[in-house]
Amino acid sequence: AQRVTQPEKLLSVFKGAPVELKCNYSYSGSPELFWYVQYSRQRLQLLLRHISRESIKGFTADLNKGETSFHLKKPFAQEEDSAMYYCALRKDDYKLSFGAGTTVTVRA
Amino acid sequence: DAGITQSPRHKVTETGTPVTLRCHQTENHRYMYWYRQDPGHGLRLIHYSYGVKDTDKGEVSDGYSVSRSKTEDFLLTLESATSSQTSVYFCAISESTGGQPQHFGDGTRLSIL
Repeated sequence: AQRVTQPEKLLSVFKGAPVELKCNYSYSGSPELFWYVQYSRQRLQLLLRHISRESIKGFTADLNKGETSFHLKKPFAQEEDSAMYYCALRKDDYKLSFGAGTTVTVRA
Repeated sequence: DAGITQSPRHKVTETGTPVTLRCHQTENHRYMYWYRQDPGHGLRLIHYSYGVKDTDKGEVSDGYSVSRSKTEDFLLTLESATSSQTSVYFCAISESTGGQPQHFGDGTRLSIL
């Protein structure tokens, strides 16, 4: 069965420190992975997708098939990065399976 | 923000009553989704639609039905609400066949007593 695990429910870092949100998946097929973000009082939105190999708002995520991971990283966290982050896996039937989410708090 | 409106935004009702949530979009996107958000579970797909009158079940569809009679409207109905359906419900839309929602609504907080 396809599954997405975000082991950290809460993550607190200081401004300017690196931040890494962990995401592990189990999937027998060829995975497509995404990160979504929900800022306070804003709508949930797509942050980035692995196939785009892009950097959005300073965040990057690399798909590691060997470790079945898709960790989200940013070298220098900012206060505006405080939000709820969801990792998601797209399955063969094109439906998304979401992780439980990680709440990030960036302290001044 | 994309043109997605969910109504109502908040609702409190009693067990056993029918409840209908509405999602209205002005983006003319083909795909529409209903998710529920619960602590420890993230978002889980209830139902989705890939066109007018074309719908399919998600992973937690029991107790829910949907209808899409127009491109812009996607209704989620709880025929007989139960306390386990207390949740925050999100509508989402997508114009591509990729399956990943591109835009989400503001959510509906539903409490069933």
